[in-house]
Amino acid sequence: AQSVTQPDIHITVSEGASLELRCNYSYGATPYLFWYVQSPGQGLQLLLKYFSGDTLVQGIKGFEAEFKRSQSSFNLRKPSVHWSDAAEYFCAVVSMDSSYKLIFGSGTRLLVRP
Amino acid sequence: SAVISQKPSRDICQRGTSLTIQCQVDSQVTMMFWYRQQPGQSLTLIATANQGSEATYESGFVIDKFPISRPNLTFSTLTVSNMSPEDSSIYLCSVEARPWGETQYFGPGTRLLVL
Repeated sequence: AQSVTQPDIHITVSEGASLELRCNYSYGATPYLFWYVQSPGQGLQLLLKYFSGDTLVQGIKGFEAEFKRSQSSFNLRKPSVHWSDAAEYFCAVVSMDSSYKLIFGSGTRLLVRP
Repeated sequence: SAVISQKPSRDICQRGTSLTIQCQVDSQVTMMFWYRQQPGQSLTLIATANQGSEATYESGFVIDKFPISRPNLTFSTLTVSNMSPEDSSIYLCSVEARPWGETQYFGPGTRLLVL
C-alpha cells in the first residue's frame, strides 16, 4: 500500500533562515506528489505539485520542492522563512487505485522564531 | 482552481444529535471528497462522492454514520449522525476536476465539537 512519511513532527527555524521539510513516499511507479499548508484555523492550501517532468517544482509563497526518485523523497524548501510561514505542512500522494484519494503524511508543524 | 465554501464553519453539538455539513463549489467538478482531521492528526478520507452514484466509503466509515448526498456537480453534504465526543474533528471537503489533473482543492473546513 502507498504511504507517505514526514519524519519531523515539529521544526523550529529563525525568521530569515532557510527551511527544508522532509517527505518520503512508498510507491512503485512515478507518483503524483503534493505539498499543502494549513495555517491555524484554516483549510488546506495547495503549495505545489509534481506529476512529471522537471524534478524541481516551484510553488506559491516562494516554496519549491525537489522530486528525487532514487531517494523516494519530495522535500519542500524555502530559502528565507517569514513569520507568516508558521503553519502545519502536509505532504500527500494520489492513490493510483480507482479512488484518486489523497494519502497524507502525518504533517510537520513549523514554528518560526522572531 | 475553484472557490469552495463550507457551512457551518464551526459548531458545538450535543451527543446523540446529528449535524449536516454543506460543501459548495463555484464550478462544476467531477469528484468531491470528504476528509476528517481529528485533533492534532493528519487527514483521513471518509468517502468519495460522485454525482449520480452512491458515495464510496473508506474502511472504518459507514453510510449510517456518515450519510452523504451529491445532488449536482457543485454541491454535496456530509451528515455526522448520532454524534459522540469522538466525532469532534475538522471535516473538510475537497474537489477535483479533470482540467486540473489529479489535483484536489480544499474547503476551509468545519470545526465540530461534540459535548
